[in-house]
Amino acid sequence: QVQLVESGGGVVQPGRSLRLSCAASGFTFSRYAVHWVRQAPGKGLEWVAAVSYDGSNENYADSVKGRFTISRDISKNTLYLQMKSLRTEDTAVYYCARDRYSHVSGSSMDVWGKGTTVIVSS
Amino acid sequence: DIQMTQSPSSLSASVGDRVTITCRASQSISKYVNWYQQKKGEAPNLLIFAASSLQTGVPSRFSGSGSGTDFTLTISSLQPEDFATYYCQQSYITPQTFGQGTNVEVK
Repeated sequence: QVQLVESGGGVVQPGRSLRLSCAASGFTFSRYAVHWVRQAPGKGLEWVAAVSYDGSNENYADSVKGRFTISRDISKNTLYLQMKSLRTEDTAVYYCARDRYSHVSGSSMDVWGKGTTVIVSS
Repeated sequence: DIQMTQSPSSLSASVGDRVTITCRASQSISKYVNWYQQKKGEAPNLLIFAASSLQTGVPSRFSGSGSGTDFTLTISSLQPEDFATYYCQQSYITPQTFGQGTNVEVK
């Protein structure tokens, strides 16, 4: 079945790096844009980043621009989020989500993973 | 950035009630609004896309309307499984933004 499974979360000190992964299965990964969305404890949803179907277009929230990099490996059906210079305010559950279409705007997120938790703390 | 303001932030309702949640965008976004339901401890679930299109598999008691800056999610007859938090989201322009959420709880 169509599925997204995130991994790579954990506890990390402020200023350090972490890479999240999202493994896709049950659909043609290369046809869809994909997003990262996060949710801080007890808070609402925050869109983080998105990448187009072919990796040619990336977009980021201002809060992570210059620190986070989204990428995808079509051969591995996997989405990544490289996070650098982590801050305590990056603590959240990170979800990957499939876009209904191939480009990063003008659509919606129809398939979501269960999320992976990142805790930034000294 | 486009701000999405939802109201109310929370509401209490009973099974069978008609529930309406509104979302206002800080600028015109045509029909690029989506609605998601999130139950406690779970990932969000897409209910409505493009303001009024029902996602496959979503019960027909859910409906959406609006365009421009004002949008509405309506649950025609609230069911026990509908107690959850609902978010609107604009995909008109990046950064995409969500409303702050509306918690629908048992009255």
